[in-house]
Amino acid sequence: AQSVTQLGSHVSVSEGALVLLRCNYSSSVPPYLFWYVQYPNQGLQLLLKYTSAATLVKGINGFEAEFKKSETSFHLTKPSAHMSDAAEYFCAVSDQGGYQKVTFGTGTKLQVIP
Amino acid sequence: EPEVTQTPSHQVTQMGQEVILRCVPISNHLYFYWYRQILGQKVEFLVSFYNNEISEKSEIFDDQFSVERPDGSNFTLKIRSTKLEDSAMYFCASSVRDNSPLHFGNGTRLTVT
Repeated sequence: AQSVTQLGSHVSVSEGALVLLRCNYSSSVPPYLFWYVQYPNQGLQLLLKYTSAATLVKGINGFEAEFKKSETSFHLTKPSAHMSDAAEYFCAVSDQGGYQKVTFGTGTKLQVIP
Repeated sequence: EPEVTQTPSHQVTQMGQEVILRCVPISNHLYFYWYRQILGQKVEFLVSFYNNEISEKSEIFDDQFSVERPDGSNFTLKIRSTKLEDSAMYFCASSVRDNSPLHFGNGTRLTVT
């Protein structure tokens, strides 16, 4: 069974600083990996997806993530935080193929300090 | 951009009552899902639906839950006899095929009193 672990339920960064949200996965088969963002009172929006092509994946709003098989990691980064990035971020994993059952991590709330 | 829409945004019901949560997936999508998020907890998979039948369900999705696609546009989740622990945000999602990203709705917050 696949799972993801997100380190840090809350992360605070200053506006303009680097954003780094950590995610480690566990999967018995080659995984698909995702980052979703949830703004207050809204649904889950896909930020980016890894599907076994390029290991560095670029997403929306300037975010990117790097798949590192040796570290079983898929950390999310953004060079410069913006106030509008304040939200909750979820790492997720699914098996390649199948009906897209996605397993989510517990989420990391990002606070951006002006 | 096409969206998954869910109604109502907030539903309050008494314990033991039946509730139906409604979703309109994106029109050309073929796979449909329900997830839920209990306050402060992770988003959990409930059920996936394809070709008018359940393709996979979690242990949460017991006999009190059912899903239906009554017409060509709606996808519903029914809880027959709600319990306090059913209080959660319920998210509907759809995807165009089984290896494409899920598109989520904004959720229905269910409060069982």
